[in-house]
Amino acid sequence: GENVEQHPSTLSVQEGDSAVIKCTYSDSASNYFPWYKQELGKGPQLIIDIRSNVGEKKDQRIAVTLNKTAKHFSLHITETQPEDSAVYFCAANLPGDSFGNEKLTFGTGTRLTIIP
Amino acid sequence: EPEVTQTPSHQVTQMGQEVILRCVPISNHLYFYWYRQILGQKVEFLVSFYNNEISEKSEIFDDQFSVERPDGSNFTLKIRSTKLEDSAMYFCASEQGTDTQYFGPGTRLTVL
Repeated sequence: GENVEQHPSTLSVQEGDSAVIKCTYSDSASNYFPWYKQELGKGPQLIIDIRSNVGEKKDQRIAVTLNKTAKHFSLHITETQPEDSAVYFCAANLPGDSFGNEKLTFGTGTRLTIIP
Repeated sequence: EPEVTQTPSHQVTQMGQEVILRCVPISNHLYFYWYRQILGQKVEFLVSFYNNEISEKSEIFDDQFSVERPDGSNFTLKIRSTKLEDSAMYFCASEQGTDTQYFGPGTRLTVL
C-alpha cells in the first residue's frame, strides 16, 4: 500500500515570507497528489492538486511541485498571511480498481503558524 | 458552491451503543468515502462506495461498521457497538470521478 511522509510537523514563518512543506510517497503507481488545508474544528479543504503528468502547478500564492523520479512533492505558499495559519495535509491516491474509486493516503500534517 | 454536509456535528454515545453518522454528498458525485481522524493524528481511509456497494475498505472497517446509501441523497456510516477507540472525527467525502475528493465538515464522535 501507499505510505506518505510529511515534513516538517510544525512550521512558523513571518508574515510575508514563504512556507514550504514537503511530502514523499512510496507507491510509484500513485498519480494524483492533493493538498488540503484544515482549520480548527473543520473538515479538510482542497487547496491545490497535481497530477503526475505535470511537474508544477500554481494558483495565485500557492504552488505545488512534483518530482516523480524521487517520489516527492512540495507545497509552496508565498507572501504568507495570518489566514494561512492552519494544518496542511498532503495526500496521494492509489489508482482506482475496476470501480474507479481512489482512496487517499494522507501525510501526518504540518501545523503552519504565520507570525504577524 | 455545492458542498458535502454532515450531521450531527457532534455525537456523544455510551460504549456498546449503535451510532449512525449521516452525510449528504454533492449531488452529481458518484463516489463516496468515509475517513476518520483521531485527535491530533492524520486522516485515515475507512471505506469507499460506488454504485451502491463497497469498493474498498481498510482494516479499520471491521464487522462493526457498515455503510448505506438509503436514498438518492444520503450516505450513512453505522457503528453497531461503539468502543472507546472509535472516538474520532469522521469525515465524509464525495468525488465526481475526476480524482478530486471534497470533504464534509465532519462529525465528532465521543464514546464514553
